[in-house]
Amino acid sequence: EAGVVQSPRYKIIEKKQPVAFWCNPISGHNTLYWYRQNLGQGPELLIRYENEEAVDDSQLPKDRFSAERLKGVDSTLKIQPAELGDSAVYLCASSLTGETHNEQFFGPGTRLTVL
Amino acid sequence: AQTVTQSQPEMSVQEAETVTLSCTYDTSESNYYLFWYKQPPSRQMILVIRQEAYKQQNATENRFSVNFQKAAKSFSLKISDSQLGDTAMYFCAFSGGSNYKLTFGKGTLLTVNP
Repeated sequence: EAGVVQSPRYKIIEKKQPVAFWCNPISGHNTLYWYRQNLGQGPELLIRYENEEAVDDSQLPKDRFSAERLKGVDSTLKIQPAELGDSAVYLCASSLTGETHNEQFFGPGTRLTVL
Repeated sequence: AQTVTQSQPEMSVQEAETVTLSCTYDTSESNYYLFWYKQPPSRQMILVIRQEAYKQQNATENRFSVNFQKAAKSFSLKISDSQLGDTAMYFCAFSGGSNYKLTFGKGTLLTVNP
């Protein structure tokens, strides 16, 4: 069974440019999470989806970040415009359902460098 | 708000020996879960072990076991017979109440030396 797929794996952009990350969760997983992991830190949740509904986006900086999961399967996270402080690894995770404390399965992440 | 603290930024152990990683947490929730995740250098994070707070018995998974002290809010991970492949960042994480996100500690970098 394929795991969580993310692309690209690496992205280097200049500040003020837009960038997008894509995630395809494990088949059958209704819940999808986007986390940001700064260097030397643990991941922090940006947004959680139950199917196509964003049920927790309280930590998403909405002035420049947006996310979508239109058909309740794959998801895109966008930053526009990017700032130097956005350099981090962006992790996607999925689980069977979010209304429990199930194991979350993580993708390999996208390492973003903003110059 | 929940907090998770890992006080050991780095640790090292010799192959075949035993090592214990520490984690403390703070919460007012009565129903919660604790996790240890491993993040090898390739970055894909995987679950090592999970503990449900209402279970008094400590969880074990092969060479990995936890010492869960609920009153002290402590959740340490013991790795027995350490292997080179255990070299990784280890994150302690919390999930509790109606908030199903994971709250992570800052991690402990474990190096297993030959």
